[in-house]
Amino acid sequence: AQSVAQPEDQVNVAEGNPLTVKCTYSVSGNPYLFWYVQYPNRGLQFLLKYITGDNLVKGSYGFEAEFNKSQTSFHLKKPSALVSDSALYFCAVRDIYGQNFVFGPGTRLSVLP
Amino acid sequence: KAGVTQTPRYLIKTRGQQVTLSCSPISGHRSVSWYQQTPGQGLQFLFEYFSETQRNKGNFPGRFSGRQFSNSRSEMNVSTLELGDSALYLCASSLASDRFTDTQYFGPGTRLTVL
Repeated sequence: AQSVAQPEDQVNVAEGNPLTVKCTYSVSGNPYLFWYVQYPNRGLQFLLKYITGDNLVKGSYGFEAEFNKSQTSFHLKKPSALVSDSALYFCAVRDIYGQNFVFGPGTRLSVLP
Repeated sequence: KAGVTQTPRYLIKTRGQQVTLSCSPISGHRSVSWYQQTPGQGLQFLFEYFSETQRNKGNFPGRFSGRQFSNSRSEMNVSTLELGDSALYLCASSLASDRFTDTQYFGPGTRLTVL
């Protein structure tokens, strides 16, 4: 069965510093990995996805994520955090054996001015 | 291109009532999925529709049902509401060109409160 873990409930970072939001996964076959962000009282916004190819994926708003097959991880990163990046971040996984998206529990990112 | 729209945005119901939520996907998208989001359980998959047929179903009781119309618009229905059904219900649409790698695009959600 597919599963996703986001080991940190909360991540705090100072504005201008690099940020990392962690995600590890478990799937039966090749993973298809996604990152979404949710602002208060809003739906989820797509940031980026990994399907195949280059392990470093670039996405929206300056975010990128690194796929590491040996560590079964897909951490979200940004070189310089903005206060406006403060939100709830979800990692999701799917494989060809899975029936649907499986989301992680979410990580709340707070960027402090 | 307009995004995914959901109506209504907010609903207040009492226990035992039923409710119908509506979702209009992005133009050209043929797959619609529904999720329930609660603080305790997080995001949980309800069901997915493609070409007016339910393709996948999550682990929810039969009180939760849905359908998709020929124009890809979808509705979900919850009958005999319980307090625990209070949640944000999210609809997502995708092109359905590849069911495993397609990006799902989410609507703003319907906030259901059951009193």
